[in-house]
Amino acid sequence: EVQLIQSGAEVKKPGASVKISCEVAGYTFSGDYMHWVRQAPGKGLEWMGLVDPENGETTYAEKFQGRVTMTADTSTDTAYMELINLRSEDTAVYYCAPGLELQNWGQGTLVTVSS
Amino acid sequence: DIQMTQSPSSLPASIGDRVSITCRASQGIITFLAWFQQKPGRAPKSLIYAASTLQSGVPSRFSGSGSGTDFTLTISSLQPEDLGTYYCQQYYTYPYTFGQGTKLEIK
Repeated sequence: EVQLIQSGAEVKKPGASVKISCEVAGYTFSGDYMHWVRQAPGKGLEWMGLVDPENGETTYAEKFQGRVTMTADTSTDTAYMELINLRSEDTAVYYCAPGLELQNWGQGTLVTVSS
Repeated sequence: DIQMTQSPSSLPASIGDRVSITCRASQGIITFLAWFQQKPGRAPKSLIYAASTLQSGVPSRFSGSGSGTDFTLTISSLQPEDLGTYYCQQYYTYPYTFGQGTKLEIK
């Protein structure tokens, strides 16, 4: 059974950074890209980008270029997503989801950005 | 970016109804199309990939069709547990993009 366990909720001030983790089990971590998707309160789903755990290569949505860094640690089967220079519009639930078709999803991590 | 447009945005329906949700891509995506179901406070759940392939464990009352730019998700007989919001998503090219969602509600 594939499991994706994300880190807990965060509250940050504008301008700060957040780093979310996604620990996986039940499949070969290096065998699938890890995607990150976010959902603002009451809004739809927004793809942020992906990391290839095998070589660390990344592809980011243009909207997040320069503010997001996605990494993967194959020694712990954990993916990370760091977002810097947070603003109120970044308040959202952030999800990790591996594979081409996003078959499985983490439980989500709520990030609240508020002064 | 490829724009994904779902209709309707809201769909009131009765238990037992046959319901359909459509999704249109702004350019051809062959069959690189997935459907997700999301319930309040929960992560999205994958229902269908490759436009028409049911994920393991998804009830057979769900079906998907289409190719190119026009796609449809059909529920043959609506059950109470099917209520929620449905999203289509293209994975033909980056950035992946989602439809705006269709909220399926009890009439």
